[in-house]
Amino acid sequence: NAGVTQTPKFQVLKTGQSMTLQCAQDMNHNSMYWYRQDPGMGLRLIYYSASEGTTDKGEVPNGYNVSRLNKREFSLRLESAAPSQTSVYFCASTSHGGGSYYGYTFGSGTRLTVV
Amino acid sequence: QQPVQSPQAVILREGEDAVINCSSSKALYSVHWYRQKHGEAPVFLMILLKGGEQKGHEKISASFNEKKQQSSLYLTASQLSYSGTYFCGTPHNSGNTPLVFGKGTRLSVIA
Repeated sequence: NAGVTQTPKFQVLKTGQSMTLQCAQDMNHNSMYWYRQDPGMGLRLIYYSASEGTTDKGEVPNGYNVSRLNKREFSLRLESAAPSQTSVYFCASTSHGGGSYYGYTFGSGTRLTVV
Repeated sequence: QQPVQSPQAVILREGEDAVINCSSSKALYSVHWYRQKHGEAPVFLMILLKGGEQKGHEKISASFNEKKQQSSLYLTASQLSYSGTYFCGTPHNSGNTPLVFGKGTRLSVIA
């Protein structure tokens, strides 16, 4: 099915470990986003890529890095995981360049626990 | 600036109506509405791009008052399937920037 695919779906890390969350879309969308969702906080933007070759910080970028590997793939890396990064991470994409003129399609999420 | 949603939670019986509001202290260039069921990803419902615009999606519709910097989502004759958390999202600055989401409104429809 067409859409946004995230891997892994679940992950438990120890404090200080690193990992990369993968995201791929097959809708030929230009823009891709990483959000985190915490109880009572809504969705907060970590990083985004308006188009292939560009990335920008969002509201909560500290402790994360991103790579826009190609038009399809946008990965999120935690270099040294901390308990405060325990969250559900969603990748999303849309067809407009960095904008909000079209609806976002979200992946199914990665549930990350840092102990 | 995160848009403010109200109410935070609402419980309805099947067939009842509800209104969810989304307001911002900044100018609104557009408003998105999404629904998220428990344990799932948010799903796009609709987008309103112009002040005064109204849209409908099954028995769910929305309005956008640009001057008042707010949008409202209307759910009529609610069904059990409408249960979930509803989020509004607005561009951070001009229309060509990522969405900032409200904290959500949890809607529970009971039989």
